Amino acid sequence: GDSVTQTEGPVTVSESESLIINCTYSATSIAYPNLFWYVRYPGEGLQLLLKVITAGQKGSSRGFEATYNKETTSFHLQKASVQESDSAVYYCALGDSYAQGLTFGLGTRVSVFP
Amino acid sequence: DMKVTQMPRYLIKRMGENVLLECGQDMSHETMYWYRQDPGLGLQLIYISYDVDSNSEGDIPKGYRVSRKKREHFSLILDSAKTNQTSVYFCASRGQNNNQAPLFGEGTRLSVL
Repeated sequence: GDSVTQTEGPVTVSESESLIINCTYSATSIAYPNLFWYVRYPGEGLQLLLKVITAGQKGSSRGFEATYNKETTSFHLQKASVQESDSAVYYCALGDSYAQGLTFGLGTRVSVFP
Repeated sequence: DMKVTQMPRYLIKRMGENVLLECGQDMSHETMYWYRQDPGLGLQLIYISYDVDSNSEGDIPKGYRVSRKKREHFSLILDSAKTNQTSVYFCASRGQNNNQAPLFGEGTRLSVL
């Protein structure tokens, strides 16, 4: 089946430092998977951070970026300078273009300290 | 304003009691989902609904059933809840546009004692 593996947390970084959360995927049932990053801030629900549906393209949002790399089957999330408000749990996910459910990674808890 | 609303947000039940979790969306999305999230396990898909009365099992349907009588509402039902169903439950909906990402609700934290 399909699977997503991401950096195991917790990850602790200082404010203004860079952050990278690794995500690799295996899409055995989907020929052209869509890739997503979701985020869950403390006390809130799951929010879409960014998505990329075409291999080779980059998505960006709120200072975060991720590039869909089909060759390495990766979709790493990066931010050059984090803020305390970026403290959250980040989930990498893959899905098809239609109605099937997404396959999620286990999530990476990120804590940013001032 | 596009939103998925889950009710209740928090629920405590005793083992053996019935549980009803409700989910609504105002976007007329055809497809809706129920997931559960547990520490160390990520989000696991329980059921998918493709439209009214068109439901399909996900990866972990055992112990759950669903009901979708209106496109806007999707209910998750636990008949005789078990302690291992203590979890955070997320509902999501997705439109037919291939570029759309599923939109999630804020979750329901269920404790079965």
